Amino acid sequence: GENVEQHPSTLSVQEGDSAVIKCTYSDSASNYFPWYKQELGKRPQLIIDIRSNVGEKKDQRIAVTLNKTAKHFSLHITETQPEDSAVYFCAASRAGKSTFGDGTTLTVKP
Amino acid sequence: NAGVTQTPKFRVLKTGQSMTLLCAQDMNHEYMYWYRQDPGMGLRLIHYSVGEGTTAKGEVPDGYNVSRLKKQNFLLGLESAAPSQTSVYFCASSFPDRALIYEQYFGPGTRLTVT
Repeated sequence: GENVEQHPSTLSVQEGDSAVIKCTYSDSASNYFPWYKQELGKRPQLIIDIRSNVGEKKDQRIAVTLNKTAKHFSLHITETQPEDSAVYFCAASRAGKSTFGDGTTLTVKP
Repeated sequence: NAGVTQTPKFRVLKTGQSMTLLCAQDMNHEYMYWYRQDPGMGLRLIHYSVGEGTTAKGEVPDGYNVSRLKKQNFLLGLESAAPSQTSVYFCASSFPDRALIYEQYFGPGTRLTVT
């Protein structure tokens, strides 16, 4: 089955700095790669996603890149703010089934 | 639309007790899922369903059963609860777009403690 590895497990940045979270996957047939933000005690919320036919996607301060050949994808957050502090999960999906990474706890220090 | 709802929000069970978690969605989605989330880990798929009357095993199905008698509901059962089943359980639903991409919509979660 699919295996997704996510790094780092914790990330601390100063407000205004950039944050990068990386994921690798094993199943070359995976075609959809969502990223979720989860605040304490809340459900995962989709923040951005990318499909296998696209190399990069941007939405304001958030961007995602995908390298299909290397089977890795990354989340980039620029100009971080304290409200970006949360746990972020990547996932690799195929035919309706998703495999999730173990999460990255991002702390943005004011 | 309420989206995806879960009942109950919290539950404490003693070892060996049974219970059923209910997930309901009003978006007419074909696919539904049950995940568990343990500290420091991502969501792990327990069981899923691709339509009314169908169920399939996920990554960690042992100790759980499911049923999908109605399209809008997906039930997760624990027949004999064990402390290892202490976790937060999330339900999700999805449908395919034209490119057969399935965006998942999550419920608010059920926090289950087994003592």
